[in-house]
Order: sequence, then structure tokens, then C-alpha cells
Amino acid sequence: DTGVSQNPRHKITKRGQNVTFRCDPISEHNRLYWYRQTLGQGPEFLTYFQNEAQLEKSRLLSDRFSAERPKGSFSTLEIQRTEQGDSAMYLCASSLRVAKTGAIYNEQFFGPGTRLTVL
Amino acid sequence: GQNIDQPTEMTATEGAIVQINCTYQTSGFNGLFWYQQHAGEAPTFLSYNVLDGLEEKGRFSSFLSRSKGYSYLLLKELQMKDSASYLCAVRGSGGYNKLIFGAGTRLAVHP
Repeated sequence: DTGVSQNPRHKITKRGQNVTFRCDPISEHNRLYWYRQTLGQGPEFLTYFQNEAQLEKSRLLSDRFSAERPKGSFSTLEIQRTEQGDSAMYLCASSLRVAKTGAIYNEQFFGPGTRLTVL
Repeated sequence: GQNIDQPTEMTATEGAIVQINCTYQTSGFNGLFWYQQHAGEAPTFLSYNVLDGLEEKGRFSSFLSRSKGYSYLLLKELQMKDSASYLCAVRGSGGYNKLIFGAGTRLAVHP
């Protein structure tokens, strides 16, 4: 399987605990994105990496959230002191800059997500 | 601000054609994507438009009018497996290709 993988697929935790999720992008992709999706809504952008550099962070990403991509390959998203409002599906996506008929295509491929439930 | 609107739910009959509309108001525009998402699964890419006009891929077609801030996804010869949410997403300009998603349209295909 050469798609985007995420672990764990499900995480149940108690309020106040820390959690960490992992994303392994498609191997040749240099761009990696984290999104959060709640029930009945579309994914919301959280943060973006190009190689190991974190180039953009959403205002949704409070100080309790931190993301890393240490070697420009896999990425981790950590949530400290979880709150019930953090319950959501956390999606990772990766892409590679590819030119298509002069336009930049850059399709993002999504992983299966990690569903977080904070009790 | 950024706003992407699409209908919340639609129903259609197997074998029919359905059109899902999307209107957007975003700060900059660098392409519009349609994704399909089955319940509990990841979004999967369906189509991409950056220029005005129609893009056709098998049973799926997508149309874009940049001047109207409007797109639609056309699904032909509907199958039961097409029951899913369809997400419209805009990529803004000057950024790092992040996508701004609408809330999705939940399509139910019945026999």
C-alpha cells in the first residue's frame, strides 16, 4: 500500500491527557497537510509542511497543538491537555508539485484519518 | 472572508443524473477541487478546475465559472455506491496550496 497512512485510527482519551498522532505521507511527496473534520462539516486546515519546514499554521491551532516533520518524511501532531472540543477526525494529506498543461495541479491525497474522542 | 456554499443533502435515483452546485467567495483563487467522501473514510479526489469550462472524467464532470464564483459536479448513470458526501474545496492564491472546504453535500442514491 503506497497511500497516506495514519496511526492510530482511533483514540479515546480522558480530558486533560496528551495524545500524539502519526502520519506517513506518500514517499515522494514533499508537502504535508493536517486537517480537522467534525461531523457534518468539511475538513478545516490546521497546518502545512514543505519538507521539514512548517510554513503555515491556522489560527485554529492553539498553543496546545504542535506538529513536527523532523526529517521531511513522517509527521506527528500532538495535542496537550485535551479538551472535549478537540474530539474530531484528524486528517493528514500529502501532495507533490506537478505541472499539468501549464497549471499547477497539486492534488492532495488524504489518509484514512485518526478519530479522536475526548471523554 | 472565506465562504463556500453547497447544499446539505440531495437524493437521486439509480441510473439518473445529479448536479451538485458550489458557490464560493474566497480571498484569491487558484483552483477548485471536488472530493468524494464515504462515511468514516478519507476524502478521495474526483476533479480539478482552474480555468472556466467543463472537465469530463468518465461518469463525473465538473464545471467552473470564475466570474460567477460557481462550480458544479455532474454525476451521470448514478450507482448505489455513489451515495457519499461530495466536498467542494477552493485553493487560495499566494499561499501554500491549503484547501478551503465547504461543508459537503450528502448524496443518497436509492433504487
